[in-house]
Amino acid sequence: NAGVTQTPKFRVLKTGQSMTLLCAQDMNHEYMYWYRQDPGMGLRLIHYSVGEGTTAKGEVPDGYNVSRLKKQNFLLGLESAAPSQTSVYFCASSYSTEQFFGPGTRLTVL
Amino acid sequence: AQTVTQSQPEMSVQEAETVTLSCTYDTSESDYYLFWYKQPPSRQMILVIRQEAYKQQNATENRFSVNFQKAAKSFSLKISDSQLGDAAMYFCAYIDYGGSQGNLIFGKGTKLSVKP
Repeated sequence: NAGVTQTPKFRVLKTGQSMTLLCAQDMNHEYMYWYRQDPGMGLRLIHYSVGEGTTAKGEVPDGYNVSRLKKQNFLLGLESAAPSQTSVYFCASSYSTEQFFGPGTRLTVL
Repeated sequence: AQTVTQSQPEMSVQEAETVTLSCTYDTSESDYYLFWYKQPPSRQMILVIRQEAYKQQNATENRFSVNFQKAAKSFSLKISDSQLGDAAMYFCAYIDYGGSQGNLIFGKGTKLSVKP
């Protein structure tokens, strides 16, 4: 039982490049979330999903897209990376009030 | 909108002593949940303790306990017998299924240092 996993763990991009972050959970949770964590800002919600095939915007959705084609996976895409998207990205999943977090992805955009 | 405020960016405690981290929140909802998460240098988010707003009794998990004051909208975390492994960032978080639509709202965190 791996819980919540994230791929990759680290990534460096140049401005304008695109990439996809993969989140996978093996707990059969309905709800999945993407957060970003910046210094002094705590975690902020980017997008979330309440079930397979559904997504919704969170607090800071601009510049990101998401997809939930399979219940166990939640993808976060950056179509044209900007330096302001340099951050640590966390995925989480839940079945009720408690959210289980992945180990995070550190993304640097140069 | 719901907000969570942690007014102590950094705290320090001597090993084996007790420390209290503060958290206040703002909401118009009557039914909600509050959490404290620990984030050590490994970056992993670890749930420390949770409190249901409808419960008057303060939650306790081993050396960790909370002081939940619903009327004052205050939710502090007390760590007793502090250990070196308690050094981490601590985040207070709030969730409800009305205004926040089931989404966790985090404070900015408190960095706790433990001195040997």
